[in-house]
Amino acid sequence: GVTQSPTHLIKTRGQQVTLRCSSQSGHNTVSWYQQALGQGPQFIFQYYREEENGRGNFPPRFSGLQFPNDSSELNVNALELDDSALYLCASSLGGVPDTQYFGPGTRLTVL
Amino acid sequence: DQQVKQNSPSLSVQEGRISILNCDYTNSMFDYFLWYKKYPAEGPTFLISISSIKDKNEDGRFTVFLNKSAKHLSLHIVPSQPGDSAVYFCAASANSNYQLIWGAGTKLIIKP
Repeated sequence: GVTQSPTHLIKTRGQQVTLRCSSQSGHNTVSWYQQALGQGPQFIFQYYREEENGRGNFPPRFSGLQFPNDSSELNVNALELDDSALYLCASSLGGVPDTQYFGPGTRLTVL
Repeated sequence: DQQVKQNSPSLSVQEGRISILNCDYTNSMFDYFLWYKKYPAEGPTFLISISSIKDKNEDGRFTVFLNKSAKHLSLHIVPSQPGDSAVYFCAASANSNYQLIWGAGTKLIIKP
């Protein structure tokens, strides 16, 4: 399945954070979502074969990397209080939503 | 601007009866719709999808109906079982670009 680390994280405003995701074996696409409390997930960006392949309405301080070994990272610079949320990664075959498997998420709290 | 709306934050249904979850959308460019189910402390799980060229799709106890003129879709679960208690999200994408727009979710509670 899809795993994410860490499970929970507390940071202070202005800091930088790296969240990690391990994809389902064989999946070539990873998508990252931000889910604020009481809302649905919001699409941040998608990586296909290590290249960014689509981005939602998020500023450049949100960046990502996808590695050939089924792992990927979400980096957020200059953290703001509104960045507090559950961050979900999902792996899939070519981005097809029906094939998308989600990890359990990383809960980020920014103080 | 909420393009996908789930107006019922929660729904309580007796075990064995039908559960109907509703979703409305505003963007007429949406052409692919999905329902996901989420248990606490787990990521969402894909349930069922429907393309805009269809008005119904069935998978076992789950059926999704799409009314394009009303920009409305619904998920029917028959019969409802205790394991169906979860938060259900509808999501949509436009032009098959796979950038999903999600509703806020409906918490379904199945009463024994």
